[in-house]
This record gives sequence, structure tokens and C-alpha cells, in this order.
Amino acid sequence: QKEVEQNSGPLSVPEGAIASLNCTYSDRGSQSFFWYRQYSGKSPELIMSIYSNGDKEDGRFTAQLNKASQYVSLLIRDSQPSDSATYLCAVKRTSAAGNKLTFGGGTRVLVKP
Amino acid sequence: DVKVTQSSRYLVKRTGEKVFLECVQDMDHENMFWYRQDPGLGLRLIYFSYDVKMKEKGDIPEGYSVSREKKERFSLILESASTNQTSMYLCASSSRTSGRAGYNEQFFGPGTRLTVL
Repeated sequence: QKEVEQNSGPLSVPEGAIASLNCTYSDRGSQSFFWYRQYSGKSPELIMSIYSNGDKEDGRFTAQLNKASQYVSLLIRDSQPSDSATYLCAVKRTSAAGNKLTFGGGTRVLVKP
Repeated sequence: DVKVTQSSRYLVKRTGEKVFLECVQDMDHENMFWYRQDPGLGLRLIYFSYDVKMKEKGDIPEGYSVSREKKERFSLILESASTNQTSMYLCASSSRTSGRAGYNEQFFGPGTRLTVL
């Protein structure tokens, strides 16, 4: 079992719809959770961080964390073609030396006009 | 804003050459990381450093070494480049202490696409 798992996609979403991305993790001691967006040929860009159970909203993005079920999700509302990218889930374990993150393989999102 | 810069965007080297990739961050971060990213394999941690002159192996350190002589600079060294080291190399940094709301986010540089012929 991978430490951080994501569906590789592609997740095809019509413009204006909600894109829902999921991420599960295996270490129950995980502490902090991150979503990165990566455009093709570019480096990952941090878009959301979440630490506590529940929802965290930032503009059109909402991160949801459920530690009991060991999953974190990202919702993208009013999806735009510019949201087409690969989204990486990353997890920081409590004991991680140097604040190491463990990354999932990413979910590719395609927003179709 | 955090800025992480890498010495080259594109690099072409020959098999057996010694290759230096440099990374500089301007936010006084204690932690710095080197990853490589390959299609289908995702981001893999090569080495990281949590302080000057300190280094720790990541998941795939073989064939690489690192140097951190100054807090802001973290270098990745390929002692004898091989074709299987053709990849996108990404540097990242983070603060040891809690950042926004305690998250210790990592911030990435633009990446260096290395081709070894």
C-alpha cells in the first residue's frame, strides 16, 4: 500500500462544474496536509494547506480533512480551463525529520469548455 | 513571497560528466530538499538538509551527493552522470518552525530539466 494514494485520472470536468479530488494516506500519525497544483512542464505550486478536521475554504478551493477515515479532498468550484493541471496531495507525518513531505502520484484534471 | 531559484532551467550533459545543480532560497528557511520527478513515478526525494552542513538521505540517494555550506544554498551533485538520471530536478525549501497556522509548507523552485546523453 502506498503511503499517499490518489486516482491518477484524468478527471474530466465541464467548465463551471465542481471538480472533486480525493487523497488517502496510510499513516494515522500524519499531521499536515497540502494540495499542490502543477501545470505541465512547471514546478508544483502550493494552493491549500489543512491541519484540522473539517473544511477550509480559499476562493474557489475547499480542502476537506477527515483524520478518522484518513482522507483529504480538494474541491474546485466553478472550474475553469485554467484549472487544467495535475494536483498533488502531500502529507507531513508527525515524526518527519526536516518536515519531509510524502507526495501522492497526482490527479490530472481536464476542464473542458 | 518565498523565492526559490535554481541555476538552470535546461541542462544537457554527457555520460560520465560531473554535474552540479544549485538551489538558492531567500526566506531564511532551515530545510531544503532535492526531488526528481519522472512520468509515472511522481516526486521522489533524493536528499534533504535541515541545517547548514547537515544532510539526510531521501528515498533515492544512489548516484547523488549534496552540499550545504550556507543556509540559503543547497547543491545537488551527480558525480558521474548516467542516462537514467535524465529527469526533472526540483528544489524546495521550508521553515523548521511553523509557518502559516503551523503547516511547514514546502515551496518549490522552477525546476531543472536535465538530459544526460
